[in-house]
Amino acid sequence: QKEVEQNSGPLSVPEGAIASLNCTYSDRGSQSFFWYRQYSGKSPELIMSIYSNGDKEDGRFTAQLNKASQYVSLLIRDSQPSDSATYLCAVNIEQAATSGGYNKLIFGAGTRLAVHP
Amino acid sequence: ETGVTQTPRHLVMGMTNKKSLKCEQHLGHNAMYWYKQSAKKPLELMFVYSLEERVENNSVPSRFSPECPNSSHLFLHLHTLQPEDSALYLCASSQDMRVHYTFGSGTRLTVV
Repeated sequence: QKEVEQNSGPLSVPEGAIASLNCTYSDRGSQSFFWYRQYSGKSPELIMSIYSNGDKEDGRFTAQLNKASQYVSLLIRDSQPSDSATYLCAVNIEQAATSGGYNKLIFGAGTRLAVHP
Repeated sequence: ETGVTQTPRHLVMGMTNKKSLKCEQHLGHNAMYWYKQSAKKPLELMFVYSLEERVENNSVPSRFSPECPNSSHLFLHLHTLQPEDSALYLCASSQDMRVHYTFGSGTRLTVV
């Protein structure tokens, strides 16, 4: 069973601090990694994707990937109360199919982040 | 709207009822998915359709029956559900092998 593990939290950080969210995965063949943000009662929305080892920055968000350690992280700089949400780590599994192939995402249970003023 | 529309947004049904969830995508994607999200648990993949062909069925009980009449529409037919089936049901679509999903807003299902 392919798994994605995250600490459930809550992770509590003060406004303006850096929030660090971590994720490990079990399938060494995974090639694509995603971070989704989910506000309470809403559907997940994609905030970062990363495919290569190293760091990828987008605004206040930085995704980090280490395939050798099977580890993905998300850093949120200058955290704001509006960043308070559950952050889902997802790993893409590519599947061939006679009808053209598809990808499926395996999700972690999410880490709840609370940014307090 | 994200391009993936789910209806209804909320559904309360008795254990003997039959109901259907609907998902429609306007993105021209070739794969559609049903996920179940229960409290404190990871999203669980239920069904995958690629070009209207069911390509994955993750040991989902037969009281859940999917239907994909064309590449833009996906249904989840519900029959004699149990209270533990209460959850947020999310539809998603994708295109090609490496792009990310687009999720619908979900249907919050309560079985009483």
